[in-house]
Amino acid sequence: AQSVTQLDSHVSVSEGTPVLLRCNYSSSYSPSLFWYVQHPNKGLQLLLKYTSAATLVKGINGFEAEFKKSETSFHLTKPSAHMSDAAEYFCVVRDNYGQNFVFGPGTRLSVLP
Amino acid sequence: DGGITQSPKYLFRKEGQNVTLSCEQNLNHDAMYWYRQDPGQGLRLIYYSQIVNDFQKGDIAEGYSVSREKKESFPLTVTSAQKNPTAFYLCATTDPGRSTDTQYFGPGTRLTVL
Repeated sequence: AQSVTQLDSHVSVSEGTPVLLRCNYSSSYSPSLFWYVQHPNKGLQLLLKYTSAATLVKGINGFEAEFKKSETSFHLTKPSAHMSDAAEYFCVVRDNYGQNFVFGPGTRLSVLP
Repeated sequence: DGGITQSPKYLFRKEGQNVTLSCEQNLNHDAMYWYRQDPGQGLRLIYYSQIVNDFQKGDIAEGYSVSREKKESFPLTVTSAQKNPTAFYLCATTDPGRSTDTQYFGPGTRLTVL
């Protein structure tokens, strides 16, 4: 069975400082991993995805994530936070034999001026 | 949100009433999904459909029903049997025929039971 753990329910950073949102997963098979962002009362937008190619994945808006199989992690980072990054972030896993996507509980990112 | 519309954006329902949420897509995707989102719980799968005229229960299907008569449409009915229906509902699609398996989401419908 697949599962996703997002270690922090809320992360607060100052504008211009680095962002780290943590995600650990459990999957029986080779997984696909995704990060989505959700602004208040909006749908989810794909930030980036890992599908067994390069382990360092670059996404939109300066975000990137590194797949580490030995640590079963897929942490999301950004070198410098912007006010517009304040949102909810979801880590998602799907194994290559599954039909469905399993969502983590989300991490709310606050960016302070 | 590209290519997926959900209506209405906000919906109010009295207890004991059934209500239907609309999801329409023009992406020509085969698979469609309904999720429920509650604060602090992420997204939970209600129903999904891989092809027309076929659908499967997700993790929290009780009190909900769906139909998939057309490829473009996957309406969700919240019945009076759903004990706590107040939530944000999201529709999504994927194209299983492609290797990218990315989900695309609609803008959501916020349902409030009065």
